[in-house]
Amino acid sequence: AQTVTQSQPEMSVQEAETVTLSCTYDTSESDYYLFWYKQPPSRQMILVIRQEAYKQQNATENRFSVNFQKAAKSFSLKISDSQLGDAAMYFCAYYPNAGNNRKLIWGLGTSLAVNP
Amino acid sequence: SQTIHQWPATLVQPVGSPLSLECTVEGTSNPNLYWYRQAAGRGLQLLFYSVGIGQISSEVPQNLSASRPQDRQFILSSKKLLLSDSGFYLCAWSRGTGAYEQYFGPGTRLTVT
Repeated sequence: AQTVTQSQPEMSVQEAETVTLSCTYDTSESDYYLFWYKQPPSRQMILVIRQEAYKQQNATENRFSVNFQKAAKSFSLKISDSQLGDAAMYFCAYYPNAGNNRKLIWGLGTSLAVNP
Repeated sequence: SQTIHQWPATLVQPVGSPLSLECTVEGTSNPNLYWYRQAAGRGLQLLFYSVGIGQISSEVPQNLSASRPQDRQFILSSKKLLLSDSGFYLCAWSRGTGAYEQYFGPGTRLTVT
């Protein structure tokens, strides 16, 4: 079965510093997408970044970037120059682009605190 | 641009009462639609998804049901609420083909008393 694991239930970072959130996944598929979502205290889920498995280049969105290691099935999120507004739950998600079970599979999340 | 609406934002209902949560999407056609539940401090649990009008797939057997009476409308219902139905309910949409990321509504916080 496909699974997503976020091994860090909680993380903290000093404002302006860099933090990396870990995500690993288990799949036998070769064609899939990976996502990071942010859920601030308002609880609305916001898409942060996406990565297509067939692309070797790591995705970046402003201060957010990923380290995608396909062979290791690892998909970490790096937040640079952390801001107070980055404090949130972060969820990693996997989407298989083949087969009959095409649904997002979610990790349990990492709670990120940003200290001033 | 596309927007997704959910209402109500907050709901307090007694055990045994009915439930109706509504979700609508604007600015796109034939979206895939999803209902999720999130318990406090936990991950997301997919409840239902729909790839078209009248097409509903259920992920978890329970006393909830979903309907899609129009292309961009998705409704979550229950005839009799249980205490265990309390939680945060999120509706999401995605394009039917191509990009597969899901976009979420603001959510409904349901408390069953």
